[in-house]
Amino acid sequence: SQQGEEDPQALSIQEGENATMNCSYKTSINNLQWYRQNSGRGLVHLILIRSNEREKHSGRLRVTLDTSKKSSSLLITASRAADTASYFCATDASGYSTLTFGKGTMLLVSP
Amino acid sequence: GAVVSQHPSRVICKSGTSVKIECRSLDFQATTMFWYRQFPKQSLMLMATSNEGSKATYEQGVEKDKFLINHASLTLSTLTVTSAHPEDSSFYICSVSSLGRTGYNEQFFGPGTRLTVL
Repeated sequence: SQQGEEDPQALSIQEGENATMNCSYKTSINNLQWYRQNSGRGLVHLILIRSNEREKHSGRLRVTLDTSKKSSSLLITASRAADTASYFCATDASGYSTLTFGKGTMLLVSP
Repeated sequence: GAVVSQHPSRVICKSGTSVKIECRSLDFQATTMFWYRQFPKQSLMLMATSNEGSKATYEQGVEKDKFLINHASLTLSTLTVTSAHPEDSSFYICSVSSLGRTGYNEQFFGPGTRLTVL
């Protein structure tokens, strides 16, 4: 079964606005990762946050992790049309196990 | 990160034929590669873990005789869809874990192969 569940399933915003996507999971993890997929392409790794971390930043990306609630959020600030893509969270149970991907959020950023 | 290529990027075949998809790790040796399948607007489903020099580990529900995986070298894994049928039409993506390189289990993905079976 899917480990991660993202919401919303789809998000439509204007350029310059912030986009927030959430991910919930069911079992304990070693780390959680966020990936981006442009239509018809492979996935690109965005950021990894370990279970003992609460927040992490990378450029316009901010990821939070709440292990007590088994949830994570990805915030993209000052969005651009080029950010239009699907975003997936993926959980790693042990740090060296296979990743389990959520269903993804489709983000549409309009100029 | 690692650079991963896949070939072909797109293939159309007739029902009953076999199709081979190659996944190459271009800039580092990968003892482990992963094969995923993705249906339109859906998430990735892990099919199998490809291990260099040994048999692949298949996920539950994935037919190993249908989806043959060969990881003959540290830079190449192949997925062969045997006797393909229209229901095998999908987007197949491979990935390489950076675990052996960075100590973190991030995955680097190939660009994917779109398989259409007529």
